Amino acid sequence: EPEVTQTPSHQVTQMGQEVILRCVPISNHLYFYWYRQILGQKVEFLVSFYNNEISEKSEIFDDQFSVERPDGSNFTLKIRSTKLEDSAMYFCASSATGRVEQFFGPGTRLTVL
Amino acid sequence: AQSVSQHNHHVILSEAASLELGCNYSYGGTVNLFWYVQYPGQHLQLLLKYFSGDPLVKGIKGFEAEFIKSKFSFNLRKPSVQWSDTAEYFCAVNPQTGANNLFFGTGTRLTVIP
Repeated sequence: EPEVTQTPSHQVTQMGQEVILRCVPISNHLYFYWYRQILGQKVEFLVSFYNNEISEKSEIFDDQFSVERPDGSNFTLKIRSTKLEDSAMYFCASSATGRVEQFFGPGTRLTVL
Repeated sequence: AQSVSQHNHHVILSEAASLELGCNYSYGGTVNLFWYVQYPGQHLQLLLKYFSGDPLVKGIKGFEAEFIKSKFSFNLRKPSVQWSDTAEYFCAVNPQTGANNLFFGTGTRLTVIP
C-alpha cells in the first residue's frame, strides 16, 4: 500500500539555523499539506499546496516558513531561522484529487536548541 | 474560529470493555468528519470518515462513529477493545468550504490493559 514518507525522522538544530524537512507524498496525489504538533498540544494545520502554489495557510505559517515541490516527487517545508518554539513534530500529508481524506507521513521531530 | 474538543485526555480500559470517545466541534456549516489513530511509533492512520448520508459510519478494526448534527458531535465507539487498540485517537473536522485543511482535536490516549 503506498505511503507518505518523511525524512529525517528526527532533526536537531541550533536556534537561528535553517532547516528543510522533506516529504514524498503518495505518487498520484496532487494535494499536499504540512501540519505540526507541539508536544502535548493538538495537531495544527500549517499549509496546503496544489498545482505548485499555496492553497491555504494558517496564521502559524509566517514569513519564516516556505514550501516547495522541487521535483516530481518531493515536497519540502523550510524554516529559515528556527526558534525554540518551532520544536514540534511536523507531519506531511497528501490527498488525491476530489478526495478529502488525507494520508499522513510518520512525521519529523524537530528539536531546536 | 473552528475548534474541535476531545474531552477525554486519557482513557484506561480493560480488554473486552466498551469504548466511547467524545468529539465535539464548533462550526455552523456542513462538515466532513474524521477519526485518525496513531499507534505507538507509527503515523496517523484514518480510522473512519463521515461526509454525508447514514450518520452511523463503520471504520476499520471494528470501530464506528455516530454523527449527531444537533449536538455537533462525532463520538467514536467500539463494543469490545483489545490490547492492540492502545493508541492515540484524534478527531478531525474539515468544514466544507472548499479548502481541505483539517482541524484536529487534542487527542485521547487510550490504554488497554490485558
